[in-house]
Amino acid sequence: DGGITQSPKYLFRKEGQNVTLSCEQNLNHDAMYWYRQDPGQGLRLIYYSQIVNDFQKGDIAEGYSVSREKKESFPLTVTSAQKNPTAFYLCASSLRGNQPQHFGDGTRLSIL
Amino acid sequence: DQQVKQNSPSLSVQEGRISILNCDYTNSMFDYFLWYKKYPAEGPTFLISISSIKDKNEDGRFTVFLNKSAKHLSLHIVPSQPGDSAVYFCAASMEYGNKLVFGAGTILRVKS
Repeated sequence: DGGITQSPKYLFRKEGQNVTLSCEQNLNHDAMYWYRQDPGQGLRLIYYSQIVNDFQKGDIAEGYSVSREKKESFPLTVTSAQKNPTAFYLCASSLRGNQPQHFGDGTRLSIL
Repeated sequence: DQQVKQNSPSLSVQEGRISILNCDYTNSMFDYFLWYKKYPAEGPTFLISISSIKDKNEDGRFTVFLNKSAKHLSLHIVPSQPGDSAVYFCAASMEYGNKLVFGAGTILRVKS
């Protein structure tokens, strides 16, 4: 089945640690995205990538980093510089152009 | 600055009746609009979209209406079913699918 896989589903981080969230898609989509959802708020764009080896900052990129070495993979690193990392993180992908984004089931990150 | 607003946090509807979810936007440069449905602990699922060249798009029980002069769109679900109970997000884009801006969501409860 084609889809987007995010792992792990739940992740705990100690203060001062970096953590990496995985996102893999087998839809052959060119574009991939990372969003963050906080309670009572919509999704906010962290980073996006329209093609391999290229990515752009979204609205809330501070404290995060990404890489896009392969078309099917777009990992997100939450660094220790992100002061409020507790949130639900969603990865999405889309074909280029006028196509809707499709989402994974998310990773919930909590701080110990 | 919220560019996409869903002013009703929640809506309760009887099974079989119409559900109307509303969304307002402020940026006249948005040219593509989408509705997503989200269950708890899952990623959003794409429902229906509309481009700014249309004022209506229909897909089964779901119809989206766009009023560009009022910067308003709505999602109609007819007839509503208990399985429609979820959080509904509207989203908008200036780049046909890239860099979506999401509203905060509306919780729909369909009572049987």
